[in-house]
Amino acid sequence: SAVISQKPSRDICQRGTSLTIQCQVDSQVTMMFWYRQQPGQSLTLIATANQGSEATYESGFVIDKFPISRPNLTFSTLTVSNMSPEDSSIYLCSVDRGAIYGYTFGSGTRLTVV
Amino acid sequence: GENVEQHPSTLSVQEGDSAVIKCTYSDSASNYFPWYKQELGKGPQLIIDIRSNVGEKKDQRIAVTLNKTAKHFSLHITETQPEDSAVYFCAARSGGGADGLTFGKGTHLIIQP
Repeated sequence: SAVISQKPSRDICQRGTSLTIQCQVDSQVTMMFWYRQQPGQSLTLIATANQGSEATYESGFVIDKFPISRPNLTFSTLTVSNMSPEDSSIYLCSVDRGAIYGYTFGSGTRLTVV
Repeated sequence: GENVEQHPSTLSVQEGDSAVIKCTYSDSASNYFPWYKQELGKGPQLIIDIRSNVGEKKDQRIAVTLNKTAKHFSLHITETQPEDSAVYFCAARSGGGADGLTFGKGTHLIIQP
């Protein structure tokens, strides 16, 4: 099945700083998706990243806070900007690998803001 | 937008018994319904999925059923084992591949030895 690698796997950051999370897929995909999972909660879609265009953000998420890059068909980054303790969550990237492999997730980035 | 409800929030079953988790969705245009297992400290693992042109799908001890008319789908796990203990999430996708998933709130499945 698809291999989705995320870096870093975890980090502890100071409030007011920014963290960039990388997502690498082992084959080309059209769309890459970023999700947030707050402690003990379900997953919420942040935005959809399509190569060559600006990301599409869900209600409640804005580009200034969560800028996304998608420079090619196998890679994307999500930045969490000007962090506060409320940003402490697991951030996950995901791709749809079609009928055989389905919609799969990376192992996530566990972010703690202090 | 899509709304997915999942029940129960916690389910405790004896080892060897069956477990059933149910989800409903609101958007009749939704066409893809995956189920994920998440163990502590790990990302969600896709365990089975079903598309809207199919009513049932099985993979060994796991099955998913879909009722498009009633807009609900269910996960069935038979002959449960201790390693089945985890949080399970259902999800639904509206439209085509450009759309992300909407998740249910999760079910904590506990397998009692």
